Amino acid sequence: AQKITQTQPGMFVQEKEAVTLDCTYDTSDPSYGLFWYKQPSSGEMIFLIYQGSYDQQNATEGRYSLNFQKARKSANLVISASQLGDSAMYFCAMRENPHAGGGNKLTFGTGTQLKVEL
Amino acid sequence: NAGVTQTPKFQVLKTGQSMTLQCAQDMNHEYMSWYRQDPGMGLRLIHYSVGAGITDQGEVPNGYNVSRSTTEDFPLRLLSAAPSQTSVYFCASSYSRGFGGANVLTFGAGSRLTVL
Repeated sequence: AQKITQTQPGMFVQEKEAVTLDCTYDTSDPSYGLFWYKQPSSGEMIFLIYQGSYDQQNATEGRYSLNFQKARKSANLVISASQLGDSAMYFCAMRENPHAGGGNKLTFGTGTQLKVEL
Repeated sequence: NAGVTQTPKFQVLKTGQSMTLQCAQDMNHEYMSWYRQDPGMGLRLIHYSVGAGITDQGEVPNGYNVSRSTTEDFPLRLLSAAPSQTSVYFCASSYSRGFGGANVLTFGAGSRLTVL
């Protein structure tokens, strides 16, 4: 079973509108972290936002917010006031609490390609 | 402060050739790792290291070797390249090996490898 599921291969949004990118995850570990990364056409991976499983409030970073619904195991990324520069691939990722020596390993979803239109 | 530096950015190999993808970080990060990115599959972990002299396998380690002789460097070796190893490779590092807080992975710019 996939640990991270992104069901939207592609999304379109008009400039200045808000958009929600879906992410669901699967883990039996009570302690985990959820991440969103942006990959523009230039190819680099850019960290956007982090949510810990014990965090009481939804994470926010500027125009990015993470809609964390723990019971539903979802961690949707909300981008407010979309800009042309937001056009990119977006990846959701999870880090489960590592066993001894397990390291900082992320499991990634397959990504959502976002296109912002005028 | 260069961050995570990967070389080369592009490489074409013939089946059976060997090569090394270089990764260096100047942030004194304890943890380093290699991912490959294939269309429709996201990023998958190849190998990782929690410190100098310590390495371990990730999800897709076959056909790759790594070593970590220094904190700064984490090269990825392809022993005998196969067309299935055509991919974009990312090196990533973080300050800590552990779980506390975000401990964000910083990625290199990627290396695009084509195996003919």
